[in-house]
Amino acid sequence: QVQLVESGGGVVQPGRSLRLSCAASGFTFSTYAMHWVRQAPGKGLEWVAVMSYDGNNKYYADSVKGRFTISRDNSKNTLYLQMNSLRAEDTAVYYCARGDYYGSGSYSSSIWGQGTLVTVSS
Amino acid sequence: SYELTQPPSVSVSPGQTARITCSRDALPKQYAYWYQQKPGQAPVLVIYKDSERPSGIPERFSGSSSGTTVTLTISGVQAEDEADYYCQSGDSSGAYVFGTGTKVTVL
Repeated sequence: QVQLVESGGGVVQPGRSLRLSCAASGFTFSTYAMHWVRQAPGKGLEWVAVMSYDGNNKYYADSVKGRFTISRDNSKNTLYLQMNSLRAEDTAVYYCARGDYYGSGSYSSSIWGQGTLVTVSS
Repeated sequence: SYELTQPPSVSVSPGQTARITCSRDALPKQYAYWYQQKPGQAPVLVIYKDSERPSGIPERFSGSSSGTTVTLTISGVQAEDEADYYCQSGDSSGAYVFGTGTKVTVL
């Protein structure tokens, strides 16, 4: 079945790095844009980053620009998020989500992973 | 970028109708999408392209759009509909913009 499984979360000290992975299965990964979305404890959804299907285009939220890097390996059906210079405010559940195109330049996500918790604390 | 504003909470009795609004503060217009999120779970898409319903989503969920406001309507609310609901739109880069979220409480 169509599935996204995140991994790599954990507890990390401020200023350190962490890399998240998202393994895709059940669909042709290389034909979809992919997103990272996060949710701080008790807060709403916050979009983090998107990468085009071929890896040629990527965009970031201002809150993570210059610190986080999105990448993908289409041969491994895997999406990554390299998170550097982590801050306490990066503490959140991180979800990967498939970018489904609905026309007129509009995207949404019908497929989400279960999320992985990142806690930034000393 | 722009913002999507939702009411923080909506309370409704079982069997009644819940309406959740999502207001955009800027153009250009893009389609709106709605997600349902229950505690400890990932979001689930319940409406796409303003008013379309994905397969498997109950007919009591519907969406509409008028001007700069989109609305999610849940007709005949059931206890299982108690959840947080988020609207979502996007920009030309493919980035997502999420609404502030609305907690629906079934009394």
